[in-house]
Amino acid sequence: QKEVEQDPGPLSVPEGAIVSLNCTYSNSAFQYFMWYRQYSRKGPELLMYTYSSGNKEDGRFTAQVDKSSKYISLFIRDSQPSDSATYLCAMTGLGNEKLTFGTGTRLTIIP
Amino acid sequence: SQTIHQWPATLVQPVGSPLSLECTVEGTSNPNLYWYRQAAGRGLQLLFYSVGIGQISSEVPQNLSASRPQDRQFILSSKKLLLSDSGFYLCAWSGRPGGLDFWEQYFGPGTRLTVT
Repeated sequence: QKEVEQDPGPLSVPEGAIVSLNCTYSNSAFQYFMWYRQYSRKGPELLMYTYSSGNKEDGRFTAQVDKSSKYISLFIRDSQPSDSATYLCAMTGLGNEKLTFGTGTRLTIIP
Repeated sequence: SQTIHQWPATLVQPVGSPLSLECTVEGTSNPNLYWYRQAAGRGLQLLFYSVGIGQISSEVPQNLSASRPQDRQFILSSKKLLLSDSGFYLCAWSGRPGGLDFWEQYFGPGTRLTVT
C-alpha cells in the first residue's frame, strides 16, 4: 500500500464548477499537508498548506484535512481555465524536510 | 529572492549513453537539495537528497548517481542510460517560509529526458 493515494484523473469540468480533489494517506505521523500546482512542462509550486486537522481558505481555494479519516481535500470554487493543471498533494511529519507526494490529479477546466 | 535553475530543458539520449543534468540555486546558502523523477502515473519519486557539499543520500537504488561539488550546485549523472530512465527530472531546495516549523520545497523548471 502506498503511503499517499491520489486519484490520477484526468478530471474535466466546465468553467465555474466546484472542483474537489482528494488524497488519502496511511502514516499517522503526517502533520503538514500541502497542495502543489503544476502547469504543463513546469515544476510544481506550493498552492496551500495546512497544519493538522481543519480548514484553510485562500480566495477560491479551500484545503481541508480530516486526520481521523486520514483524508485531505482541495476545493476550487468558480473554477477558471487558468486552474487547468496537475494538482499534487504532499505531506510530512513535524520537523521533517522530506515530503511524500501523491501521484497528482490532472485537471482541465473547459471554457 | 531565491532562484533555481536546471539545464538542459529537454534531452534526447540513446540507450547506453551517459547523462549529466545540472541544478544551481541562487539567493540562499547551504540549502538542502533534492532530485526527483516524475513519470506518468507515478508522481514524484525522490531520487537523491543532499544536506551539504559531498553529502548525498540515495533513496532509490538504480543506475543514477548524484554529486554536490559546490554549495549551490547539484548534479545528476548516469554512466549508461536505460529506457526506464526516461522522465521529467526536477531539482528542488527546501526552506522554511516565515520561520515556521514547516519545510517548503521549491522546484526548478525541470528537464524532460527521453531515452531512445
